[in-house]
Amino acid sequence: AQKVTQAQTEISVVEKEDVTLDCVYETRDTTYYLFWYKQPPSGELVFLIRRNSFDEQNEISGRYSWNFQKSTSSFNFTITASQVVDSAVYFCALSGQGGSYIPTFGRGTSLIVHP
Amino acid sequence: DTAVSQTPKYLVTQMGNDKSIKCEQNLGHDTMYWYKQDSKKFLKIMFSYNNKELIINETVPNRFSPKSPDKAHLNLHINSLELGDSAVYFCASSQDDWNTQYFGPGTRLTVL
Repeated sequence: AQKVTQAQTEISVVEKEDVTLDCVYETRDTTYYLFWYKQPPSGELVFLIRRNSFDEQNEISGRYSWNFQKSTSSFNFTITASQVVDSAVYFCALSGQGGSYIPTFGRGTSLIVHP
Repeated sequence: DTAVSQTPKYLVTQMGNDKSIKCEQNLGHDTMYWYKQDSKKFLKIMFSYNNKELIINETVPNRFSPKSPDKAHLNLHINSLELGDSAVYFCASSQDDWNTQYFGPGTRLTVL
């Protein structure tokens, strides 16, 4: 069985602070994919990043960066110099070969950025 | 152009009624999904269709029935609605079942 844990239910920061959202996963698959999605207050789900299990390179996209570490089964997401527009619920997700790629989502982390 | 669209955006109905939610994707994807998001934001997959065939059917009541008339459409029909069905329902699509999913805007269903 696969599992995604986002231990932080809610994080509150002040604008311009850096913030890291944690994601820990469990899977027995050797081939799997990890995702992050953003759900702003307007409600839509926006794809942010996809990583496969064979690519542990960190990724940076503007103020967003992702740290994938297989040794700790973690795929953490950092926002540098946070802005009010970053306020949203962020979901980490996993889909694995053994589970027929049925995607499993974490419970989400609500990020509140105060001006 | 909206990649994945759902109608209606809001649906308010009485217990016991039957309702449908429609989903269309214009991305040319082979796989489509239905998710339910509860009041605590927990996202759970309900169904997945690949090329008009059901490939995932998680434990959902059989009052819920997906219908895929063609590869671009996956509709969700719900019979005998109950209070606990109130949630936001998201449609999604992906090129393959392991690929990135693109979500529709969601349908907020409220059962009174």
